[in-house]
Amino acid sequence: DQQVKQNSPSLSVQEGRISILNCDYTNSMFDYFLWYKKYPAEGPTFLISISSIKDKNEDGRFTVFLNKSAKHLSLHIVPSQPGDSAVYFCAASRFGPHTGKLIFGQGTTLQVKP
Amino acid sequence: GAVVSQHPSRVICKSGTSVKIECRSLDFQATTMFWYRQFPKQSLMLMATSNEGSKATYEQGVEKDKFLINHASLTLSTLTVTSAHPEDSSFYICSAWTSGGTDTQYFGPGTRLTVL
Repeated sequence: DQQVKQNSPSLSVQEGRISILNCDYTNSMFDYFLWYKKYPAEGPTFLISISSIKDKNEDGRFTVFLNKSAKHLSLHIVPSQPGDSAVYFCAASRFGPHTGKLIFGQGTTLQVKP
Repeated sequence: GAVVSQHPSRVICKSGTSVKIECRSLDFQATTMFWYRQFPKQSLMLMATSNEGSKATYEQGVEKDKFLINHASLTLSTLTVTSAHPEDSSFYICSAWTSGGTDTQYFGPGTRLTVL
């Protein structure tokens, strides 16, 4: 049972444009969501997170939107840069950030073309 | 950000042998370490949660006698794949987490295990 789903395995955008990565979840008990970025042969690195009490969190070029009624979150990167090319994972937690136990999606490979 | 290392980065072994993978938090003390495995084009699947000085908590479907986890100190956790078989071939990633900090997990670079 895949509780966190990233239905787009890949996404290609032009440099300078907006990248939108999507993530859906099924468990309404999730209350904390995170996005991680992963380069080949490296571990995932934390990008941005959002609590379920919010619907938007912004950090520089990265913004995460949460739609609880639709059980959907998205990561917006604007403007996209070639260095953003990587695999992006969304993850969810049932107990806030404090237990550290996360459920991951399958990942979306983003390619930003110069 | 914090640094987590894994050793080895890649290992090839014969079926029936045991393999040990180390996970170290280099610049902070980790309250908890997690072990994940990732199959190609699939998500990171949590295998077990490891707290320093106590027994690991395994996720449903993960054989604790096959995947031995030891978390002897706040900076080191080890995963031993015992009597490895080809179906154990996977990418194993650890992460380290500490309470009271940024509440985010810091991941190691992963270990590619290939069992012949």
